[in-house]
Amino acid sequence: AQKITQTQPGMFVQEKEAVTLDCTYDTSDPSYGLFWYKQPSSGEMIFLIYQGSYDQQNATEGRYSLNFQKARKSANLVISASQLGDSAMYFCAMREGSNYQLIWGAGTKLIIKP
Amino acid sequence: DTGVSQNPRHKITKRGQNVTFRCDPISEHNRLYWYRQTLGQGPEFLTYFQNEAQLEKSRLLSDRFSAERPKGSFSTLEIQRTEQGDSAMYLCASSSVPYEQYFGPGTRLTVT
Repeated sequence: AQKITQTQPGMFVQEKEAVTLDCTYDTSDPSYGLFWYKQPSSGEMIFLIYQGSYDQQNATEGRYSLNFQKARKSANLVISASQLGDSAMYFCAMREGSNYQLIWGAGTKLIIKP
Repeated sequence: DTGVSQNPRHKITKRGQNVTFRCDPISEHNRLYWYRQTLGQGPEFLTYFQNEAQLEKSRLLSDRFSAERPKGSFSTLEIQRTEQGDSAMYLCASSSVPYEQYFGPGTRLTVT
C-alpha cells in the first residue's frame, strides 16, 4: 500500500491565487513527521515546511502553511498568493517513528500562469 | 552559508563501468542520507549515516552499491558494474536533527 499519496499529478493556477496541494499518508506509528519539498526544474530539493504528529497547531512558514488533519491522515500544503517562481514539482514526504529515511509521494507538478 | 554539495553534477558512463559520486554535507550536520530519483518519481531512500556509522540501508542498495563516510565528513557512493537501470538522479541530504533534511543539487547518472 502507498504510504504517501499525492492525487494531483499536475495543477495550473493563476498567479496571485491560493493553491492547495493534496497529500494523504498511511502509518500506524503514533510518532511521525510530515514534510513538503519543492523541486524546481534545476533539480535541487528545497525544504518548505514540517509538521510533527504531536504538534497541536498547523505549521506555517511565510506563504506556506500545512493543513494537518490527523483523523483524516491528510497534510495538504497551502501556498497563498502564488507567484510565477512557485512553478515546480512539489513532494510530500513522511518520516515514521525512529526511522531516518523519508518516504516520498509521487509529486505534483504546479504551473503558475501569469 | 555553504549548502550540501555533490560532485560530479553529471556523469555519463558505459554499462559495466564503475562510478563514484561524492557528497559534502553542511559542515555541522552529523546525519547524511543518499536517495535515488528516477524521472517523474519521488526520491527513494538508499542509505543513512550518523557520523561515520552507516545505520540504515535500503534493500534497493544491491551488492553493486556501496557507500562510505570516512571520518564522518564527506561521503562517497560507488556503483560497480553499472546497468542501464541505474540511470537516475542521485541525491544527497544532510541534517543535524532528524527533521528537515537539506539536499544537494544531485548527480545525474546516465548509463549507455
